[in-house]
Amino acid sequence: DIQMTQSPSSLSASVGDRVTITCQASQDISNYLNWYQQKPGKAPKLLIYDASNLETGVPSRFSGSGSGTDFTFTISSLQPEDIATYYCQQYDNLLTFGQGTRLEIK
Amino acid sequence: EVQLVESGGGLVQPGGSLRLSCAASGFTFSDHYMDWVRQAPGKGLEWVGRTRNKANSYTTEYAASVKGRFTISRDDSKNSLYLQMNSLKTEDTAVYYCHAGPDDYWGQGTLVTVSS
Repeated sequence: DIQMTQSPSSLSASVGDRVTITCQASQDISNYLNWYQQKPGKAPKLLIYDASNLETGVPSRFSGSGSGTDFTFTISSLQPEDIATYYCQQYDNLLTFGQGTRLEIK
Repeated sequence: EVQLVESGGGLVQPGGSLRLSCAASGFTFSDHYMDWVRQAPGKGLEWVGRTRNKANSYTTEYAASVKGRFTISRDDSKNSLYLQMNSLKTEDTAVYYCHAGPDDYWGQGTLVTVSS
């Protein structure tokens, strides 16, 4: 089974800050990685697919990078509406999610 | 418009059974693999299992935490996905989502509570 290690588990930042979340796979998953945003009571929303591709309609302040085992998700300028929990997910072999990063406004 | 609508959640006692359904519309259900993903209260997302499409012989896979207790099935003629949950434990309490891949469609989830 592929394990995904996501950090940090929580993050407090100010509006306008650059925010970075990392995710490490237990084995090479090429670029088979998604990033999701989840707000309370809602299903996850896909933001980034194939590690670095922005889903249609998602603001350009969101970005992703990486391949192999190490991946990064960035919000270039944090907005109040970005308060949510973020998850990485590998889909190289079935699905595995990272533990999640709860993002709060400072 | 793509829709996945889960139903069948509710309160069940430990050791009991429950069957969840997911009704799909707005896309070619039979072409997609289908997953169940769950989220315990205040916790992260956990993949539960998958059924592949006809081209892949409808094979199924399960997470270790549910293997032998849960069964996933599908009826392409009804555009429906099912999750039969037996021998339920308190730790199975969660919102259960259906997910269609690889296009990444999600339902709104249905809550299963296992409690005496």
